[in-house]
Amino acid sequence: NAGVMQNPRHLVRRRGQEARLRCSPMKGHSHVYWYRQLPEEGLKFMVYLQKENIIDESGMPKERFSAEFPKEGPSILRIQQVVRGDSAAYFCASSPIRDEAFFGQGTRLTVV
Amino acid sequence: AQSVTQLGSHVSVSEGALVLLRCNYSSSVPPYLFWYVQYPNQGLQLLLKYTTGATLVKGINGFEAEFKKSETSFHLTKPSAHMSDAAEYFCAVRESGGGADGLTFGKGTHLIIQP
Repeated sequence: NAGVMQNPRHLVRRRGQEARLRCSPMKGHSHVYWYRQLPEEGLKFMVYLQKENIIDESGMPKERFSAEFPKEGPSILRIQQVVRGDSAAYFCASSPIRDEAFFGQGTRLTVV
Repeated sequence: AQSVTQLGSHVSVSEGALVLLRCNYSSSVPPYLFWYVQYPNQGLQLLLKYTTGATLVKGINGFEAEFKKSETSFHLTKPSAHMSDAAEYFCAVRESGGGADGLTFGKGTHLIIQP
């Protein structure tokens, strides 16, 4: 059973471009979470999704950020018009139930 | 609202010595508590978790943690440190029941193992 797969592992974008981060949860997991880790900081919760539904987006910035988890395919975190402050590691986690989360290796976004 | 405080951004111990990483939390409802380890450029791996029941929780790699409600603490320990334990450790809390969905993490403690 493969773990949580995130791609790409590293992503470089120029200011103003769009960034798309993908997360394939573990087989059988219907809960997906996205977290952001800034340098020297812990992870900050962004959004919680189940298939085709956003359950909790209380940690998502109000503008430029969106997430989806379609019926088929991976979960996508999309950042429009990226700025330097978006540079961070973005982690996806999946779980079969709410009480345990398995993390992917993360996507390191660098905005230049 | 819930929060996590990890005392000491860096902890250095000698190989073979006791490892103690401190975590204090605040939560308005009974918490679920977690410790994760992160190796450089890797994701987070769950070491152990407390949800209900026994307050002393044993995890992987010889680590354990004790939930102390009166002290609002969930400190992580290991009797004898190995070089391979060098990593970043994160304590996290989530509200039980129908509370907030995401984990709230501490800022992490970087564990350094001296030979």
